[in-house]
Amino acid sequence: EVQVAESGGDLVQPGGSLRLSCAVSGFTFRSYAMSWFRQAPGRGLEWVSAIGTAGTTDTFYADSVKGRFTISRDNSRNTLYLQMNNLRAEDTAIYYCARGGIRLGWFDPWGQGTLVTVSS
Amino acid sequence: IQLTQSPSSLSASVGDRVTITCRASHGISTSLAWYQQKPGKAPTLLIFAASTLQGGVPSRFSGSGSGTDFTLTIGSLQPEDFATYYCQQLNSYPSTFGQGTRLEIK
Repeated sequence: EVQVAESGGDLVQPGGSLRLSCAVSGFTFRSYAMSWFRQAPGRGLEWVSAIGTAGTTDTFYADSVKGRFTISRDNSRNTLYLQMNNLRAEDTAIYYCARGGIRLGWFDPWGQGTLVTVSS
Repeated sequence: IQLTQSPSSLSASVGDRVTITCRASHGISTSLAWYQQKPGKAPTLLIFAASTLQGGVPSRFSGSGSGTDFTLTIGSLQPEDFATYYCQQLNSYPSTFGQGTRLEIK
């Protein structure tokens, strides 16, 4: 069964840092692009960042996180990461990872999400 | 690329046929997906490439459109279909979503 599962969410102060992880199973991780999304409380979905397949250096970011967030992948550990620095209150959200990308034309499946709260 | 969904909310009864529309600010060919999200749960993929049904999704769901205008149709609403629906464009990054359509029981 194809599965993705996020972890690492926490309460952090403004200006702080956090690293999210997304462990995958059931498919050949290195062969798929991956993305992070987020959903602020009571709000809609927002794409955050994407990374290409193994062996590429393709990374993409939403303007709202560019320069503060870094996406990466460890193909030996079947894990996707999102390093988040200089966090702001408006980064408070449930963060989801998902397999897929624009070349595939879909994102599926999504994990259950991990909550990041930025507050003093 | 901005996506505008309509309506933002919709009340319907079990057995009804409902249609949700999604309009893109620029042409995106058929690079559009639809997702369903239930409260407290992650989104699930229903349709990609505007009209291709994801495996395991009931055939009462269908999608159509190309360019700037797209529709999601649910042929005969079932109790488990009451949820929020989002369209997403995958023509280019940044990938963007519509604001969502909340489908409620009448």
